[in-house]
Amino acid sequence: ETGVTQTPRHLVMGMTNKKSLKCEQHLGHNAMYWYKQSAKKPLELMFVYSLEERVENNSVPSRFSPECPNSSHLFLHLHTLQPEDSALYLCASSQARGGTEAFFGQGTRLTVV
Amino acid sequence: AQSVTQLGSHVSVSEGALVLLRCNYSSSVPPYLFWYVQYPNQGLQLLLKYTSAATLVKGINGFEAEFKKSETSFHLTKPSAHMSDAAEYFCAVSVPNSGYSTLTFGKGTMLLVSP
Repeated sequence: ETGVTQTPRHLVMGMTNKKSLKCEQHLGHNAMYWYKQSAKKPLELMFVYSLEERVENNSVPSRFSPECPNSSHLFLHLHTLQPEDSALYLCASSQARGGTEAFFGQGTRLTVV
Repeated sequence: AQSVTQLGSHVSVSEGALVLLRCNYSSSVPPYLFWYVQYPNQGLQLLLKYTSAATLVKGINGFEAEFKKSETSFHLTKPSAHMSDAAEYFCAVSVPNSGYSTLTFGKGTMLLVSP
């Protein structure tokens, strides 16, 4: 495996379910990110982990809970989501320095029913 | 704070025609600028980046962009469009003085290529 890998690619869940999204990077990076991509809205940065510490949480509801056990893995735990949370969730990684480009996974298409 | 404006949510060109996708940015410090492409049901792929070296930046797939500080612009061009260029394109700005990649994206421009 190379690059940034996200699983699952598609997920349908009910509003009372608990699920997790997984991201793994094989690029030797030490910063990881979760983005949300909704129709007709700009990409929204949700969480940033740099050197395994959460450094940014952009007013994301508590029903989204990130976890970064090491520099190669990132999870997004989902609980009691709303239909408006349906979106493409993108994971990215980069070097932990300013101005560097981020490398993205293929995303998880989440549908909340 | 920084922001990006992409003019035109959709741009249509004929195969072989010039591609021009517009991006204007706002930043309180000298920015780094990026163009990404997204094909359907895929993640974002880096096309090119400007990091304060040469103002004309060449990227993959024949794309290039020119940084114009006076116009706060970073427009993306390609001399001759191919059908395979049909995708959504995102301009992004970042600041170099943080400890991680603080990308702020525009809303994207969908490029449509007709035969």
